Amino acid sequence: QKEVEQDPGPLSVPEGAIVSLNCTYSNSAFQYFMWYRQYSRKGPELLMYTYSSGNKEDGRFTAQVDKSSKYISLFIRDSQPSDSATYLCAMIGAGKSTFGDGTTLTVKP
Amino acid sequence: GAVVSQHPSWVICKSGTSVKIECRSLDFQATTMFWYRQFPKQSLMLMATSNEGSKATYEQGVEKDKFLINHASLTLSTLTVTSAHPEDSSFYICSAPSRGSYEQYFGPGTRLTVT
Repeated sequence: QKEVEQDPGPLSVPEGAIVSLNCTYSNSAFQYFMWYRQYSRKGPELLMYTYSSGNKEDGRFTAQVDKSSKYISLFIRDSQPSDSATYLCAMIGAGKSTFGDGTTLTVKP
Repeated sequence: GAVVSQHPSWVICKSGTSVKIECRSLDFQATTMFWYRQFPKQSLMLMATSNEGSKATYEQGVEKDKFLINHASLTLSTLTVTSAHPEDSSFYICSAPSRGSYEQYFGPGTRLTVT
């Protein structure tokens, strides 16, 4: 069993839709939770990170962490075609980052 | 944010040859860099941790004699794929951690194709 499981997708939504991307994890040592965005044939770029349960908002993006359920989510409001990319969740514990497999999102104009 | 570059961005080589990939931190010093491999539609798999001034730390299952890592300076780490085979074809990405936070700055990646 993988330590981090990410909803596989792919996901296709119309422009303006609300998108929900989700990951679950099994390792209680994970303390920091991150979301990266990766465009095709590019390196990942950090979108958001958090270390506590609850919500963290940044513009159209909201990261949600529920440590009791070992579940994290990324919500994208008013999605745009430029949001089309692969989104990777990442978790840090014991000094190591573990990534989900990624969810590919396509936002259609 | 900080910038990490990789060179080359794409390389094609023949089976049996060696390929060197460079990872540079452009505006900050990195005593540690990470090397990842990513197959299509799969996640980043950590291969090794490159440490300036000491030997790299390899993840389980990664052949250290095949994937040679040299952290030559505080801004440069290199990954050499020796005696490359078609199954080594992949996207190789390096990253460097920031100081003071848990963010990693990723390079743009190098696509290796072994024919």
